[in-house]
Amino acid sequence: GAVVSQHPSWVICKSGTSVKIECRSLDFQATTMFWYRQFPKQSLMLMATSNEGSKATYEQGVEKDKFLINHASLTLSTLTVTSAHPEDSSFYICSAGSTGTGGWDNEQFFGPGTRLTVL
Amino acid sequence: GENVEQHPSTLSVQEGDSAVIKCTYSDSASNYFPWYKQELGKGPQLIIDIRSNVGEKKDQRIAVTLNKTAKHFSLHITETQPEDSAVYFCAASKNFNKFYFGSGTKLNVKP
Repeated sequence: GAVVSQHPSWVICKSGTSVKIECRSLDFQATTMFWYRQFPKQSLMLMATSNEGSKATYEQGVEKDKFLINHASLTLSTLTVTSAHPEDSSFYICSAGSTGTGGWDNEQFFGPGTRLTVL
Repeated sequence: GENVEQHPSTLSVQEGDSAVIKCTYSDSASNYFPWYKQELGKGPQLIIDIRSNVGEKKDQRIAVTLNKTAKHFSLHITETQPEDSAVYFCAASKNFNKFYFGSGTKLNVKP
């Protein structure tokens, strides 16, 4: 199946700093990628839909100025947590879907996640 | 929007027994229902999925059933093994635009 990578796998930062998380589709092109947030022992909460070449679509209640999303190419989307605070500490997961080629018809492939800890 | 409910939240079975996890969804327009397995500290992995034009799908020890009228779908794992222990999530999607996840089921298979 297709592979989605995330970098870094974990990051620790000080309160007030910004952190960038990368999501890459390694062997397919993804016009759309999704960003999720997962708290311990809880489900995945969709934060935003990242669209290549256009602005991201944010879910209700998600601060777009705090969680900046850029989808600059068909294989890369980035999530930047700006002015991070301890309550932003969470597991951030991206997913990407192919466009129907290679037998992966719209299946969503998830990245391994990024553990963010804000001190 | 879509609301997906999942039960049970925890499930403990003896090795070799079967496990069933159930989900309900609210949006009748949802047409794609995947199941994911998530191990600690990792991203979800797709284990099986079903589309709304199919009532049942099976892949070795794993099967999924869908009842569109009742708006519920279930995951069935037979002959469970310790390595099946993980958290399982169901999800629903309309045309793959967004995926709404259930709350998760922690499956523990006792040797």
